[in-house]
Amino acid sequence: EAQVTQNPRYLITVTGKKLTVTCSQNMNHEYMSWYRQDPGLGLRQIYYSMNVEVTDKGDVPEGYKVSRKEKRNFPLILESPSPNQTSLYFCASSLMAEYHTDTQYFGPGTRLTVL
Amino acid sequence: AQKITQTQPGMFVQEKEAVTLDCTYDTSDPSYGLFWYKQPSSGEMIFLIYQGSYDQQNATEGRYSLNFQKARKSANLVISASQLGDSAMYFCAMRDAWSGGSNYKLTFGKGTLLTVNP
Repeated sequence: EAQVTQNPRYLITVTGKKLTVTCSQNMNHEYMSWYRQDPGLGLRQIYYSMNVEVTDKGDVPEGYKVSRKEKRNFPLILESPSPNQTSLYFCASSLMAEYHTDTQYFGPGTRLTVL
Repeated sequence: AQKITQTQPGMFVQEKEAVTLDCTYDTSDPSYGLFWYKQPSSGEMIFLIYQGSYDQQNATEGRYSLNFQKARKSANLVISASQLGDSAMYFCAMRDAWSGGSNYKLTFGKGTLLTVNP
């Protein structure tokens, strides 16, 4: 089944404890992206990747890191999480990086709470 | 800068009736894609329908259709024969070739919460 998977789905952690949210897609998609969703602010892009080893900042990259060592995986790293990073996180992917009309498919989301 | 506006924070519809969710957009790029996503209370983001700016016909996917009025920059979602399972948040989104960078990001509206009454 073609899909985007994220793990964990739910996470409660404490301030400063490094964590990684994994994202994997099995559709051979070039483009991958991370979004966060917050009440009143909607969905905002954190980072994106056009292909392996090609990543760049989105609108709200502060406090996050990403890597794209393999085409299928795009982990989101929070080196020192803070309470303002409590949010619902989505990973998304689309087929061709250059085709802006390609549909982005989303993972199931990760609910992160930072205490 | 591109912008998506959904003016209806909430909508109610009776089961089996049709409902239209409004979306207007703003972009200076002649080539863009418009998308609708559904987010049920469980939280996942489900792709519903896509309309390209050069598409001559309105997109349809089962009970979903997109009323695309390019001159008005409008891309309304029509759900026919509403079902209880359609109760969810609906997001309109746009992706164009140039949004201040080359990242082809999706820009989302604030969403419309649809409630289907039995």
